[in-house]
Amino acid sequence: DAGVIQSPRHEVTEMGQEVTLRCKPISGHDYLFWYRQTMMRGLELLIYFNNNVPIDDSGMPEDRFSAKMPNASFSTLKIQPSEPRDSAVYFCASNLRDMAYNEQFFGPGTRLTVL
Amino acid sequence: AQSVAQPEDQVNVAEGNPLTVKCTYSVSGNPYLFWYVQYPNRGLQFLLKYITGDNLVKGSYGFEAEFNKSQTSFHLKKPSALVSDSALYFCAVRAPNKLIFGAGTRLAVHP
Repeated sequence: DAGVIQSPRHEVTEMGQEVTLRCKPISGHDYLFWYRQTMMRGLELLIYFNNNVPIDDSGMPEDRFSAKMPNASFSTLKIQPSEPRDSAVYFCASNLRDMAYNEQFFGPGTRLTVL
Repeated sequence: AQSVAQPEDQVNVAEGNPLTVKCTYSVSGNPYLFWYVQYPNRGLQFLLKYITGDNLVKGSYGFEAEFNKSQTSFHLKKPSALVSDSALYFCAVRAPNKLIFGAGTRLAVHP
């Protein structure tokens, strides 16, 4: 398996533009997570899905952020409109069933810069 | 609520010396504890986990961790550090259906 795949790896955009980050989890994994990492705030869980259904979006910073998982092999995180404070590395991760017994696999991340 | 604390922002150690990266936890019920490592410009990678059983858990790259229930700690250790171990290390605890990560500790191993 190729692991968790994220695209793009780097994104530079201007304030006010829409940004869409993409993730393909490992085949067969039931859980998908979106994280954000910054120097100031560390690693933050934004939202996670179980079997394509959003379970907990309490970490989504505000209404400008939205996430979808239309099928088991694809998820998007959208920011509209983007702001400079959204600059961060965004990670997608996936898990097989109960994570007490199964490790979480992370993608390589998308480095977002909002000018 | 489940939480973990990593009291050190950075740990410096000379190559060949033993290393310890500290983690303490707070949970209700049985703890499920994890260590992950992040190399520059990469995602987090799983190192090891404690679910139950032996208090000393062995993981990848020669790392091990000691679970101590009385001290609510789960420190990461390695007998002999390598320069290539330099990275960001995260302790995590399982909450229902998700992981709660600590702030991370940057390990710098000097030649």
